[in-house]
Amino acid sequence: EDKVVQSPLSLVVHEGDTVTLNCSYEVTNFRSLLWYKQEKKAPTFLFMLTSSGIEKKSGRLSSILDKKELSSILNITATQTGDSAIYLCAVEMATSYDKVIFGPGTSLSVIP
Amino acid sequence: KAGVTQTPRYLIKTRGQQVTLSCSPISGHRSVSWYQQTPGQGLQFLFEYFSETQRNKGNFPGRFSGRQFSNSRSEMNVSTLELGDSALYLCASSLVAGTNTGELFFGEGSRLTVL
Repeated sequence: EDKVVQSPLSLVVHEGDTVTLNCSYEVTNFRSLLWYKQEKKAPTFLFMLTSSGIEKKSGRLSSILDKKELSSILNITATQTGDSAIYLCAVEMATSYDKVIFGPGTSLSVIP
Repeated sequence: KAGVTQTPRYLIKTRGQQVTLSCSPISGHRSVSWYQQTPGQGLQFLFEYFSETQRNKGNFPGRFSGRQFSNSRSEMNVSTLELGDSALYLCASSLVAGTNTGELFFGEGSRLTVL
């Protein structure tokens, strides 16, 4: 069965800390790995990682894909209270019709 | 450009009833996916529609169904509601089936509570 696993499921850090969120997957016909941030209701897109683009960076956020280990990490440096959110990892599979499945998410709380 | 619109935003039902949720995708988007989100389970894939055809389906019982109209708007229906159906139901749209850019555009969701 295709699945995406994330760890930890929840995390509390202080402002200024650096955090690393983990995602691993077991899917057929991997196409891409996606990271989303969900603050209140609607998840918003952060990164897409593929075989041809295994590292992405945007400001204090960065992500790496390890295709050999079937995993990815999302790093957030110098965390701020505004980073408090659920971070969702998803994998897109190149099946007959592309399908995206999500992991359970990591709930990050950044306290002052 | 309007985003993905879901209605209703909140609703309360009792066991045994049925519910219909609506999703209007971003103009021009032809693919609509539905997800159920519960604490601890994350987003569980329900189904995906493209050009009025269901192209993918998750592992949910037949009580969960959906459809897409010619204007790409989509509805999902849950019949014979159970307490465990209480969840946030999220709709996401993209230009085509699959995501060349990796970006699904999500609505705010419909929060269903089953009593």
